[in-house]
Amino acid sequence: DAGITQSPRHKVTETGTPVTLRCHQTENHRYMYWYRQDPGHGLRLIHYSYGVKDTDKGEVSDGYSVSRSKTEDFLLTLESATSSQTSVYFCAIGAGTNSPLHFGNGTRLTVT
Amino acid sequence: GENVEQHPSTLSVQEGDSAVIKCTYSDSASNYFPWYKQELGKRPQLIIDIRSNVGEKKDQRIAVTLNKTAKHFSLHITETQPEDSAVYFCAEGFKTIFGAGTRLFVKA
Repeated sequence: DAGITQSPRHKVTETGTPVTLRCHQTENHRYMYWYRQDPGHGLRLIHYSYGVKDTDKGEVSDGYSVSRSKTEDFLLTLESATSSQTSVYFCAIGAGTNSPLHFGNGTRLTVT
Repeated sequence: GENVEQHPSTLSVQEGDSAVIKCTYSDSASNYFPWYKQELGKRPQLIIDIRSNVGEKKDQRIAVTLNKTAKHFSLHITETQPEDSAVYFCAEGFKTIFGAGTRLFVKA
């Protein structure tokens, strides 16, 4: 399996608090992605990165920000968590735009 | 922009039957079309992919076909087995946008 680690695996937080999820890879892949998965909606792209300090918005980026200061790490931040952001968050990495994605094990976030 | 529609949302077949899942995409510039399988509680994993220079690709019991003119691609699973029960996702585009998924049930 590709070396990709998400942390934390589970988190419960209160509405209005900031939350940061971390994705760490050891594959030196250029592309990194954050998706959220909710019943009936499949995998929806939040943000992605195509290099260090190079990021762009996805389908559902409102309320989320990202940062990539090193090739290995891609951080997803919820500045002020809301209940609608309760979801399972998956990080994925890819060598190129026409390459398979390798997913992390996911982070289950609950906002109460 | 990129958009991909996937059908059906649920598919139930008898063990040994075939299953077909279809995706339609909007970005005519797309040239890479992967399929992912996600078992309950696990992460999605690639099962097969196809690039736009070929029309069909097979790997044992699974195959993917691509029709670039009509902008759709399909996953075919033959001789289905209970362990094929999972959610299947298609994806396409530069940003890798996913379809909504198909939940496949294979009844023994």
